[in-house]
Order: sequence, then C-alpha cells, then structure tokens
Amino acid sequence: NAGVTQTPKFRILKIGQSMTLQCTQDMNHNYMYWYRQDPGMGLKLIYYSVGAGITDKGEVPNGYNVSRSTTEDFPLRLELAAPSQTSVYFCASSYRLAGGGADTQYFGPGTRLTVL
Amino acid sequence: GQNIDQPTEMTATEGAIVQINCTYQTSGFNGLFWYQQHAGEAPTFLSYNVLDGLEEKGRFSSFLSRSKGYSYLLLKELQMKDSASYLCAVRGGGYQKVTFGTGTKLQVIP
Repeated sequence: NAGVTQTPKFRILKIGQSMTLQCTQDMNHNYMYWYRQDPGMGLKLIYYSVGAGITDKGEVPNGYNVSRSTTEDFPLRLELAAPSQTSVYFCASSYRLAGGGADTQYFGPGTRLTVL
Repeated sequence: GQNIDQPTEMTATEGAIVQINCTYQTSGFNGLFWYQQHAGEAPTFLSYNVLDGLEEKGRFSSFLSRSKGYSYLLLKELQMKDSASYLCAVRGGGYQKVTFGTGTKLQVIP
C-alpha cells in the first residue's frame, strides 16, 4: 500500500494563479481531510469529507474548494492564489469507526506552496 | 468550539524522561490523539486515549483525565531521534474531525 500520496511536492505560484493539489489514498478510508500548516504552527483544517460526494468546511475554508467524486481522491483547488496561502498543505485520511467517529489519521508527505 | 494548549518548546537530555502536557476545552469530548512530527515531514500517529488512565506503548506513554481536560505524553529513555514536534489533537463534537494544538517542539541534547 502506498498510503496517502500528494502531488506536487513543491510549487511556486504567482498571485492570482490557480492550481489543484492532488491527494489519493489506497486504504479505502471513508474520511479525508485537508490541512494547512504555517511555520511553527499547528494544523488548521481547511475542508474534510466523510465519503464520496460529501464535503464540509473546516476552520479556514476561504480561498479553497474541494470535491470528492471517488473514495480514493480528494483534490484541493486554489482559484486565485494569494500570498496568505503560502503554507505546507497536508492531506490525511482515516477509517470511520462504528459509532461514526474518525479513527487515527494517516498523513500524506505534504505540498509546500509559495505564492509570490 | 475547542481550545488546546501545549507548551511551545521543551529541552531534555538524552536518556532522560520528559513529560509534555496538553490541556483542552471542548464541547463533547470523544478522544485525544498524540502525533509526532519531525521537521519537514508529515505527522505520524503515536497514541490515542478515550478513557481516563495511562496507555503505554514501549518508550511512549499517554495519560488522560477527562474531568480535568488534561493529557500528557511521557517519553522515556530519550534518544536524539526523539527531537521533533509533538501535536496534541482532540476529537470533540462533530466527531468526524479533530482539532490540533500548535505542538510542542522538543529538543533532545547530549
């Protein structure tokens, strides 16, 4: 199993450009998440999904969009990049526990994005 | 909402024991996780507590007191490779997601 994979690993964008960060998991996890981590800070939840076709906002969704057309894939879209979106982006996935809660999260290696 | 507090930085000596504390306030507690994150890498799972008490996994142990909103991660026989950030994360109301603290950066010195 590859686990959670993310592409690209690094990217530099100009202000106003758009891009999609890719995330794929091969563990058949129901739940998937996108976080951003600014230097010296914790993880902030951007969006999450509890299954194909279902997504919801996290703490910091402004400037981002997501879709979940399959169990495996959960891409994150930046429409108009801004310097404030310079960060490291982590995708994660987890099993759905019997009571509906999220189990341990498995993280991808991250995408380091710089907006200039 | 949820609020999680951890010390920002700690330093400890190789071979020693260190305790990293985490206090939290949440609506509807449903589990607490500890993750380890080395610089430039993704977080990896260390431990999970949902009931009061101590969970031991080798050199790492985690304790939870739900009534006090308090947890700690105990690292024994510290090794240089334990230098990393340790993230406390709480699964609360809306339990499909967790909220992460800002992390404690641990430096192990010879």
